[in-house]
Amino acid sequence: SYVLTQPPSVSVAPGQAARLTCGGNNIGDYRVHWYQQKPGQAPVLVVYDDNGRPAGVPERFSGSNSGKTATLIIRGVEDGDEADYYCQVWDTGRDYVVFGGGTKLTVL
Amino acid sequence: QITLKESGPTLVKPTQTLTLACSFSGFSLSASGVAVGWIRQPPGKALEWLALIYWDDERRYRPSLKSRLTITKDTSKNQVILTMTNMDPADTATYFCALTGDPWFDAWGQGILVTVSS
Repeated sequence: SYVLTQPPSVSVAPGQAARLTCGGNNIGDYRVHWYQQKPGQAPVLVVYDDNGRPAGVPERFSGSNSGKTATLIIRGVEDGDEADYYCQVWDTGRDYVVFGGGTKLTVL
Repeated sequence: QITLKESGPTLVKPTQTLTLACSFSGFSLSASGVAVGWIRQPPGKALEWLALIYWDDERRYRPSLKSRLTITKDTSKNQVILTMTNMDPADTATYFCALTGDPWFDAWGQGILVTVSS
């Protein structure tokens, strides 16, 4: 089955940019989606289709996807961005949803 | 406004069958392209997709759990039901249902924590 690999943790100072990666074999051929999950809450979609932004999500959130790595970029990180972030793809060949292992973003 | 809410037992015994309901509003599961999925999250661990049911009753399951899972829908009641047989303590998790009309999950329920213990 398809595997998405995320670093367990990323730390960034307030106001800086955070880059959260999601690795997978030829992930550039997939449409990648990102979710933010705060403790005790359900996940919230923050980026869809590699770099789309749902209504209500700040412009500080953006994404890219190429080759073997997709990246969620959060510019001007704020304390409120501290959360777990998950990437997700749909393996259309198998009609199978895959989530990455998640990255805990810590704002220093 | 789209809402989803999970309901069911919060404690089940090993070997029992778990039945969870997802009650939703703000969309129709009869509309072309719409689907509802179930995702779970063991305490302190990652999200794990379980199953999906489409507007046309097509179903998809996580291969490793396919023999234990059944997903159904009751369009008239705006509900999606997930059953999981032969529950084990390793199935202890928060179970979420979520709406998808595309290959991403637009809206999620609050989740329900299910503990498997004798």
